[in-house]
Amino acid sequence: AQTVTQSQPEMSVQEAETVTLSCTYDTSESNYYLFWYKQPPSRQMILVIRQEAYKQQNATENRFSVNFQKAAKSFSLKISDSQLGDTAMYFCAFMNPFTGANSKLTFGKGITLSVRP
Amino acid sequence: NAGVTQTPKFQVLKTGQSMTLQCAQDMNHNSMYWYRQDPGMGLRLIYYSASEGTTDKGEVPNGYNVSRLNKREFSLRLESAAPSQTSVYFCASSEELGQGYAPGNTIYFGEGSWLTVV
Repeated sequence: AQTVTQSQPEMSVQEAETVTLSCTYDTSESNYYLFWYKQPPSRQMILVIRQEAYKQQNATENRFSVNFQKAAKSFSLKISDSQLGDTAMYFCAFMNPFTGANSKLTFGKGITLSVRP
Repeated sequence: NAGVTQTPKFQVLKTGQSMTLQCAQDMNHNSMYWYRQDPGMGLRLIYYSASEGTTDKGEVPNGYNVSRLNKREFSLRLESAAPSQTSVYFCASSEELGQGYAPGNTIYFGEGSWLTVV
């Protein structure tokens, strides 16, 4: 079974600065997906970024980018130019897409990010 | 687009009562899921349905039953609610991943249902 570990329960960053959220995972698979989801106080789950394990290039979405280290099984999220609206809980998640109809997400416990004005 | 819709959004139950959480998606997805979210635990999978007519247990299925009524709808039932089932419940859906690689697949979540059992 896959496991996802987010060891930092909470972090704080000054507005406009950069912050990195850590995530490690454990799997015996070679092909899989990794995700970061954002959950603001409204509790809605919002997909931030997705990385396919077969791609060596790190995914980027505007101010959000990842550092994917496959050998180390590490998947960190970097938020540049932090904004007040980035204040939320962030979840790292793993999916094995090659189990056919049984693909499903496994989540870490989440990290609470606070952006200070 | 409505996406994934859950009802009710809030519910208070007494211990021993039963209730059903309803979920519907309008994206023609084959796979649907029920997760629960508890403080410090992240989201944990309760049940999932890979396609109409099939359901399978997830990580924490005890105390729950599900029904995949049709392709659009996937309900979660608590037969005899317990305080330990106080949680936020999320329904989600995704395109089925068949053979081969599907890089565009994404799981879409509903807005959550807050359930309190007293």
